[in-house]
Amino acid sequence: NAGVTQTPKFQVLKTGQSMTLQCAQDMNHEYMSWYRQDPGMGLRLIHYSVGAGITDQGEVPNGYNVSRSTTEDFPLRLLSAAPSQTSVYFCASSLSLSNQPQHFGDGTRLSIL
Amino acid sequence: AQTVTQSQPEMSVQEAETVTLSCTYDTSESDYYLFWYKQPPSRQMILVIRQEAYKQQNATENRFSVNFQKAAKSFSLKISDSQLGDAAMYFCAYRTTSNSGYALNFGKGTSLLVTP
Repeated sequence: NAGVTQTPKFQVLKTGQSMTLQCAQDMNHEYMSWYRQDPGMGLRLIHYSVGAGITDQGEVPNGYNVSRSTTEDFPLRLLSAAPSQTSVYFCASSLSLSNQPQHFGDGTRLSIL
Repeated sequence: AQTVTQSQPEMSVQEAETVTLSCTYDTSESDYYLFWYKQPPSRQMILVIRQEAYKQQNATENRFSVNFQKAAKSFSLKISDSQLGDAAMYFCAYRTTSNSGYALNFGKGTSLLVTP
């Protein structure tokens, strides 16, 4: 049982480059989300999805795109990387019930030069 | 939007002692869920304990327990018999019970140092 798998674990980009952070879960969870973690800021929600074909914005969505074509996968796309997007990114999933805890991936550390 | 405040950026405890981490939140809802997550240096986010707002009884998981004061909107975490492996960042998080509210609102975290 792999849980939530994020790839890559580390990435360095140049300003203006684009890339996709991958997230996959094998628990048949309807709800998936992306957070970013910055020093002293806690985790902030970027985008989330309550099921295949359904996505919505979170607290800090600018500069990021998502799509949900399958239940298992929820990729996060950086369209034109900026130094302000240097952060640690976490993907999480859960059943679509508020009392269910979210399962987190191990995170991706992304540096934008 | 609900806000979660952790007023202690850093805390320190000696091994085998007890420490309490504070968390307060702001909400107008009557039903919600509260969580404590642990993040060790490995960066993993590990669920420590959760509390349903409609339950008056405080949640307990082995050495971890909470003091949930609904009227005061307070949700503190008590770690008993602290161990070196408890050293980590601890995040308090709030989750609404509305159908669209599956996201967690996190506090900024408390860094816990455990000394021998």
